[in-house]
Amino acid sequence: GAVVSQHPSWVICKSGTSVKIECRSLDFQATTMFWYRQFPKQSLMLMATSNEGSKATYEQGVEKDKFLINHASLTLSTLTVTSAHPEDSSFYICSVPTSGRRYEQYFGPGTRLTVT
Amino acid sequence: GQQVMQIPQYQHVQEGEDFTTYCNSSTTLSNIQWYKQRPGGHPVFLIQLVKSGEVKKQKRLTFQFGEAKKNSSLHITATQTTDVGTYFCAGDNAGNNRKLIWGLGTSLAVNP
Repeated sequence: GAVVSQHPSWVICKSGTSVKIECRSLDFQATTMFWYRQFPKQSLMLMATSNEGSKATYEQGVEKDKFLINHASLTLSTLTVTSAHPEDSSFYICSVPTSGRRYEQYFGPGTRLTVT
Repeated sequence: GQQVMQIPQYQHVQEGEDFTTYCNSSTTLSNIQWYKQRPGGHPVFLIQLVKSGEVKKQKRLTFQFGEAKKNSSLHITATQTTDVGTYFCAGDNAGNNRKLIWGLGTSLAVNP
């Protein structure tokens, strides 16, 4: 499987500021990465698919201008939460799907964002 | 749209008891995957089932994929406190976008 890192692991920011979260695939070249959001005791909500060299594909209801995704290389995708508000506080997790027909996903450790 | 239903939402057992969580998809799946998320952690891939009627075992965990490839189950025999966490099933509909359809998860608590 893939080894995935995320940075930072937690962040506290003030309302109105922007926060960038990095997701790195350490041992696997990923043309695709997924960004999820998870509220306490709830399931994973897919936000967007990050595509290397092209625009991200956002799920219905996710504001692309609010959650900016950049897949700069085969090992790095970033999610920027712009003009953060308290309701953006959540656990953000990225994942890397393996190649081939069987797309199991390997997750980063997640970033806990708290907006005050 | 496509959905994967998972029950129960919560399960509280005494250590040593068995545990089962069930997933049911509204559509036929290419494969189904199971993940475990420990409290405060991130989901970790457990297994993938591909064939109709497939059964796979990992020590005390038994995974099944239904004949119609629309339902699946995870059974844990003689639970231990290390089994605590949330178990998610995720269906792959073989679309070329590699997205998974996630169940809501079953949270397992184990009393020592």
